[in-house]
Formats: sequence, C-alpha cells, structure tokens
Amino acid sequence: EVQLVESGGGLVQPGRSLRLSCAASGFTFDDYAMHWVRQAPGKGLEWVSGISWNSGTVGYADSVKGRFTISRDNAKNSLYLQMNSLSSEDTALYYCVKDNQISSSWLFDYWGQGTLVIVSS
Amino acid sequence: EIVLTQSPATLSLSPGERATLSCRASQSVSNYLAWYQQKPGQAPRLLIYDASNRATGIPARFRGSGSGTDFTLTISSLEPEDFAVYYCQHRSNWPPHFGGGTKVEIK
Repeated sequence: EVQLVESGGGLVQPGRSLRLSCAASGFTFDDYAMHWVRQAPGKGLEWVSGISWNSGTVGYADSVKGRFTISRDNAKNSLYLQMNSLSSEDTALYYCVKDNQISSSWLFDYWGQGTLVIVSS
Repeated sequence: EIVLTQSPATLSLSPGERATLSCRASQSVSNYLAWYQQKPGQAPRLLIYDASNRATGIPARFRGSGSGTDFTLTISSLEPEDFAVYYCQHRSNWPPHFGGGTKVEIK
C-alpha cells in the first residue's frame, strides 16, 4: 500500500523559513517523480513543485520560484520542501504527491494527508 | 498558462441521480485531463486520467469524456459516498493547473 506521510508544518512568522518532509513507503520511491501540491484554507488546489526520480529535473510554480527548493533523498525514501521568505499567501495544507511516471508527467496518482503551514505574526 | 473553468460551482442532487460536471480549458490540452475527488478532511483521490481512463479501483459509474477544450465527468447514479468536491487538472504543459472545483451536494 502506498503511503505518503508529511511532517514539518506549523506556525511560522512572515519572512521566516520552514522545511517540510515526506516519508514514502509501499512503492519503489526512486522509480517515480514526486511533487508538492498545496491547498489554502477553503480554496482549491495549486501545484507547487515537482522533481524527477534522480533530481535531474525540478520545476516550480511562479508563485514560489526563488523562495522554495524541492529535493529528495532516494536512500531515505524521502521528499523535502525548503520554504524561505514565507508570506501569508503561503498559508496552506501542503500535500506530498506521487507522480505516475519516472519523470514528471504531472499525473498525481497518490496523495498524502498533508501538513498545515500557517504564516502569521 | 492554460486556465480550467469548472461548472457548475455547486450541483445539488439526490442519491441515485445522474451528475454531469463540466471542465473547460482556455486552450487545447489534448486528452491530458484528469479528475480528482476530494471529501471533507481528506486528500484528493485520482478518479480519471487522460480524459477517459478510470484510475485503479474507481467504480464504473464514474465516466470521463471529452478532448481538446471541453471535458465532462459523469457519475451515472450517485451513491452517498460520491458527495464531494471534484477537481479537473490538465498536464498538457507547464504549469499543471487545477480547475476551481465543483461541489456535489445532497439535495
């Protein structure tokens, strides 16, 4: 059974940083691209960032480019999102999402339960 | 960027009725269109990919159709567990975008 468990969310002040983690199990982690998708409270879904199986290709939404960095450690079956210069607009539930393919196809076939990030003073 | 517009925003139906949800793209996405279901307090779940293919374990009452710019998700006979929010998503090019969602509520 595919499992994606996010952690690292919390309350953070504007301008500060936070690092999210995702522990993956139930599938061969380094056979798939991975993504972060977020959902602001009461709002829709927004793709944030994606990374190919070997970290060779990464992509970001314009809204986070230059502030967020996605990475993965295949030896630890883990995905990360380093978030810097946070603002209130980054307040959301952040989902760790598995891609359907080894390179990013943007087809999101399994989702974690999310970790909540609240940016507020 | 390709924008997806879903309609209606809310659909009020009774169990057993047919639900028809629409997703329109601002330009062609070929057949690179997926549908997701999200229940309150839960993560989204993939229902349909590439416009008309059901994901693993998805019941046959869920049917996707369309190509180019106009897509439809049809639920042939609503079960109690189908009342949820449904999102379409394209993966035609960067960045992938989601529609704003259609809430299917109990009438």
